Amino acid sequence: DARVTQTPRHKVTEMGQEVTMRCQPILGHNTVFWYRQTMMQGLELLAYFRNRAPLDDSGMPKDRFSAEMPDATLATLKIQPSEPRDSAVYFCASGSGTGGNQETQYFGPGTRLLVL
Amino acid sequence: TQLLEQSPQFLSIQEGENLTVYCNSSSVFSSLQWYRQEPGEGPVLLVTVVTGGEVKKLKRLTFQFGDARKDSSLHITAAQPGDTGLYLCAVLNTGGFKTIFGAGTRLFVKA
Repeated sequence: DARVTQTPRHKVTEMGQEVTMRCQPILGHNTVFWYRQTMMQGLELLAYFRNRAPLDDSGMPKDRFSAEMPDATLATLKIQPSEPRDSAVYFCASGSGTGGNQETQYFGPGTRLLVL
Repeated sequence: TQLLEQSPQFLSIQEGENLTVYCNSSSVFSSLQWYRQEPGEGPVLLVTVVTGGEVKKLKRLTFQFGDARKDSSLHITAAQPGDTGLYLCAVLNTGGFKTIFGAGTRLFVKA
């Protein structure tokens, strides 16, 4: 049963520390999405990759957030330095990129981040 | 202003009751998706609707896309505790590659 995996599942850190979140997309999927979910803002798209190339990262605070895909099996989202307002659940999703109108996104279980 | 307005925001009902939740917008969309997110998990796609007036059924769940493709509804018949979760509707943005999610309807079904 193919699934998107994310590590760590939970992270508590102090303000100013670097946070790295990892995602392993479903094998063969060529699109990867990073989302942030909070009670106030809901689910927001941070970054979108197709074939490992970043297509859109307009939802990401550029000064502190960065997203990369070192290879097809790994996507990373880094926050440096972290701030309390970054506390949220961060989801990675992957897709086959062949869905036409609106492809199916398969979400991972999320990383719950708390910045003190 | 949210692109997608979901209502109600929160719904708590007894097992066996029927319910309808809504996803509304002033914009026209080529397609619309419904996801369900259970506590502690990521959203899972339930359905994609693409044709105005289209009705799709998934066991006790009935999804309808508005004739003008601006809105959608999700009806659950005889709700069960396993239906508890956050129901999200989602559409593609104007550019066609970014998925925009509504704020969701949080459903709690009591046994």
